[in-house]
Amino acid sequence: SAVISQKPSRDICQRGTSLTIQCQVDSQVTMMFWYRQQPGQSLTLIATANQGSEATYESGFVIDKFPISRPNLTFSTLTVSNMSPEDSSIYLCSVGQGPTNEKLFFGSGTQLSVL
Amino acid sequence: QQQVKQSPQSLIVQKGGISIINCAYENTAFDYFPWYQQFPGKGPALLIAIRPDVSEKKEGRFTISFNKSAKQFSLHIMDSQPGDSATYFCAAGPHGGSQGNLIFGKGTKLSVKP
Repeated sequence: SAVISQKPSRDICQRGTSLTIQCQVDSQVTMMFWYRQQPGQSLTLIATANQGSEATYESGFVIDKFPISRPNLTFSTLTVSNMSPEDSSIYLCSVGQGPTNEKLFFGSGTQLSVL
Repeated sequence: QQQVKQSPQSLIVQKGGISIINCAYENTAFDYFPWYQQFPGKGPALLIAIRPDVSEKKEGRFTISFNKSAKQFSLHIMDSQPGDSATYFCAAGPHGGSQGNLIFGKGTKLSVKP
């Protein structure tokens, strides 16, 4: 399994500001995935980050709100832009293994609180 | 149809007892069913997974039971230990490959009392 390092581990931010979350993997991977875990809710896929191409966003998530960078095969960032209290969640970076990336491995997450 | 419904929301079990968590789905296109374990401050970790071609899979104290006709699957933790206290998520992946997009249940917070 991959070792995934994510930072910051937590942050408290003011409304209207932006936060960039970094994710580093210890091996080269084609796809990296960003998930959101809202309090008391299930995990939801935000987007898939492919190296060398635009990220693919799931329904309900847009690039202007959650811009993603993927400069190489071991690193990605997710920015939460123009934050509101509704963005308070845990954001998780993930990589997949298996024929269709079905086995997901997660970083420790970034717990974001927006005041 | 994309939902995975998980119950109970929370569970308290005595040490040595059996913990049972249930999940149900509607979309028959799902064909991969993993369970994840999450400790506070950590990301979810893959615990065990099953595909519909078998009705049961066991790994140590953890067993998945799968009922394809009822579209239900469950996690059984035998001889539950305080170290098993965590939040457990069931999930489902679509036929043909999830490409990282698993549909997760809302989680069950398990507390094992010594």
